[in-house]
Amino acid sequence: KAGVTQTPRYLIKTRGQQVTLSCSPISGHRSVSWYQQTPGQGLQFLFEYFSETQRNKGNFPGRFSGRQFSNSRSEMNVSTLELGDSALYLCASSPSTEQETQYFGPGTRLLVL
Amino acid sequence: GDSVTQMEGPVTLSEEAFLTINCTYTATGYPSLFWYVQYPGEGLQLLLKATKADDKGSNKGFEATYRKETTSFHLEKGSVQVSDSAVYFCALRVGTASKLTFGTGTRLQVTL
Repeated sequence: KAGVTQTPRYLIKTRGQQVTLSCSPISGHRSVSWYQQTPGQGLQFLFEYFSETQRNKGNFPGRFSGRQFSNSRSEMNVSTLELGDSALYLCASSPSTEQETQYFGPGTRLLVL
Repeated sequence: GDSVTQMEGPVTLSEEAFLTINCTYTATGYPSLFWYVQYPGEGLQLLLKATKADDKGSNKGFEATYRKETTSFHLEKGSVQVSDSAVYFCALRVGTASKLTFGTGTRLQVTL
């Protein structure tokens, strides 16, 4: 099976812009979670989607949003970008919310200038 | 809230040395515990896991035992290789929610 794929892998934006990141889970996986990784804050949970519904949300401002499509693919959007949003954004999938093993993609590295 | 504390890195070892990376946790419920590894430029890979007290997770020569009495899940390997150089993350998950709470990561560098 193909693993979790994320596009794009690298992205450069300027402050105030918005960005959309995409995640395709492993085939058959219905749960998708997003994490932000920064040197200062480490790995932090953003949100989780299951069957097109947000099931859980981390402590991030409303500028961070996401959605999931009927084919389980997920997107996350960050509006009004700030310098501090520069990070590696990781997507993880699992067959269901009860399954404990999450499989991570390679991430999208976002640089905000 | 839930939290994971890992030993500060970097940890530098010679090849074939013994490795221990300490991990302790605080959880509001009964957690499952994980070790993930991140190689340069890549995402996270699950290394091993344990779901209940006294369980031992193992993979690729790495081991960790779920110690409820000391709230710990220390990672060990008897003989490290250069290819083990990476960042190691301890994590927990409580209940059925997918949210993982991670430690800050420990960088391991293995030299010849």
